[in-house]
Amino acid sequence: EPEVTQTPSHQVTQMGQEVILRCVPISNHLYFYWYRQILGQKVEFLVSFYNNEISEKSEIFDDQFSVERPDGSNFTLKIRSTKLEDSAMYFCASSGLRGVGETQYFGPGTRLLVL
Amino acid sequence: TQLLEQSPQFLSIQEGENLTVYCNSSSVFSSLQWYRQEPGEGPVLLVTVVTGGEVKKLKRLTFQFGDARKDSSLHITAAQPGDTGLYLCAGDSSSNTGKLIFGQGTTLQVKP
Repeated sequence: EPEVTQTPSHQVTQMGQEVILRCVPISNHLYFYWYRQILGQKVEFLVSFYNNEISEKSEIFDDQFSVERPDGSNFTLKIRSTKLEDSAMYFCASSGLRGVGETQYFGPGTRLLVL
Repeated sequence: TQLLEQSPQFLSIQEGENLTVYCNSSSVFSSLQWYRQEPGEGPVLLVTVVTGGEVKKLKRLTFQFGDARKDSSLHITAAQPGDTGLYLCAGDSSSNTGKLIFGQGTTLQVKP
């Protein structure tokens, strides 16, 4: 069964460093998302992406964050200068369509720890 | 701002008992999804409800969407230890960009 994959599974970085989180969405999907989940808190939407453009971004997704689809298979989230509060589980998701109730398939996540 | 309030946050019950998890909002959602999340993994979709008043069943799990599409419930009959996990509700936001709004989650422990 097709699945969303994410690398790395864990990343430890120093505050101020750049990190790139990678995702391979399901191959025929067109809509891509990043969410994050700080330990003990709810899953929060970061950004949605379609046709090489950001469709919507949350208040969390400030100038330190960017997304890119560098080729036909990868979808990346870059944090330019990490802060302690960026420590969280980051989930990538994809969907084939964007209708009402369209299923988003989530990857296993990348646990980011900023020291 | 659309919010989803999920309750209870924690539930510990004995095997064989029934339970209900609630997901409430003051906002209308076009659809609502229920996910299950295992430790260290991403959310896995259980069901999507779209129509007000809709009821869907998945073995011992029954999902209901409120008539006004502002609330939903998950009922588990005769819970088993294998049902232990984190259950999340998530609603389609009104922005039509695919953004999902999640509840806080309910951690369920079913003791044998």
